[in-house]
Amino acid sequence: EPEVTQTPSHQVTQMGQEVILHCVPISNHLYFYWYRQILGQKVEFLVSFYNNEISEKSEIFDDQFSVERPDGSNFTLKIRSTKLEDSAMYFCASSREGTFRGNTIYFGEGSWLTVV
Amino acid sequence: RKEVEQDPGPFNVPEGATVAFNCTYSNSASQSFFWYRQDCRKEPKLLMSVYSSGNEDGRFTAQLNRASQYISLLIRDSKLSDSATYLCVVNREGSNYKLTFGKGTLLTVNP
Repeated sequence: EPEVTQTPSHQVTQMGQEVILHCVPISNHLYFYWYRQILGQKVEFLVSFYNNEISEKSEIFDDQFSVERPDGSNFTLKIRSTKLEDSAMYFCASSREGTFRGNTIYFGEGSWLTVV
Repeated sequence: RKEVEQDPGPFNVPEGATVAFNCTYSNSASQSFFWYRQDCRKEPKLLMSVYSSGNEDGRFTAQLNRASQYISLLIRDSKLSDSATYLCVVNREGSNYKLTFGKGTLLTVNP
């Protein structure tokens, strides 16, 4: 079964440092997403990306965050000047199409970020 | 009002029990509905989509009531492997899979 792969699985960083989380979406997928889940909280949408630009973002996704597709396979989330409250599991996801029409969104296993 | 609200749980049931999860959503523009399961510290995994007419997949039955903005999931003959957090998820049509998740209900099936 195709899968979304994420690295690192766990990262510990000092407050104020920059972090880049890496994702390799499924190869024929066109839409890419980042979600996050703070421990004990619900999964929250951050951003969707299509055709090399952000198509939608949440209020959480402020100037501290950015996404990039630097080549044909990777999709990255950069978090600048990390804060303690950025500690969370970050899930990358991808889908062939942008909306549900018998089409599935696939989640990666997540990158657990701990800011200390 | 929360966008997606679920029973807070947790639910502890014996093997073989039937368990029901309830969910309400506040955005009437919601068009697609799903139940996901999430194991501890793992990614959400699609359990089933929920259709207007209701749908069944083996031991799992999902129902949707658009008028009441209510979604349910019924698990029959529960197994130990059903132990997980069950997430109610909605999506607005045309919103590029901007999924809105409920907080989830933890189910523990006991031997």
